[in-house]
Amino acid sequence: NAGVTQTPKFQVLKTGQSMTLQCAQDMNHEYMSWYRQDPGMGLRLIHYSVGAGITDQGEVPNGYNVSRSTTEDFPLRLLSAAPSQTSVYFCASSPQDRARPQHFGDGTRLSIL
Amino acid sequence: KQEVTQIPAALSVPEGENLVLNCSFTDSAIYNLQWFRQDPGKGLTSLLLIQSSQREQTSGRLNASLDKSSGRSTLYIAASQPGDSATYLCAPAEHGGGSQGNLIFGKGTKLSVKP
Repeated sequence: NAGVTQTPKFQVLKTGQSMTLQCAQDMNHEYMSWYRQDPGMGLRLIHYSVGAGITDQGEVPNGYNVSRSTTEDFPLRLLSAAPSQTSVYFCASSPQDRARPQHFGDGTRLSIL
Repeated sequence: KQEVTQIPAALSVPEGENLVLNCSFTDSAIYNLQWFRQDPGKGLTSLLLIQSSQREQTSGRLNASLDKSSGRSTLYIAASQPGDSATYLCAPAEHGGGSQGNLIFGKGTKLSVKP
């Protein structure tokens, strides 16, 4: 059971480039989310989805796009990378059941030069 | 807006000590509260989940309590071991995000257990 898989693990981009961070889960979870983790800031919610075709914004959505065409995948797109988006990005998933915990991937470490 | 505070920010203890990590939150309208562990360079591992109607949960040497009305949760670690060294994160699930709720994280307590 792979759980939540994030790719790539590391990426370096130049300012203005675009890229997609991939997130896949094999647990048939309805809820998926993206967080960024910055030193001294804790984890902050970027976007989330409660099912295929449904997405919504979190606390820090600017500069990021998401889509949810399947239950398994929830990619995060950086439209035009900026140095302020240098961070560690985590994807999480869970059933739509508040008695069940969220499962996190190992993260993508992204540097924008 | 939900604000989550974790005290202390860092803690260093000798092996074998019992210890308490504190978490406070400003909005008591939560679905549940989750405690996670994060090792350096790794993702988050779920330790305990306390539903809003519960007062505590236990798993092995870990015990978490929840006082929703006062906006407080504590994580108690018994007989600490060097392998417990990690950052511990508290995250209440606020209303929104469907029936799961979106997690709001504290900045964590970095624990170091010395042999």
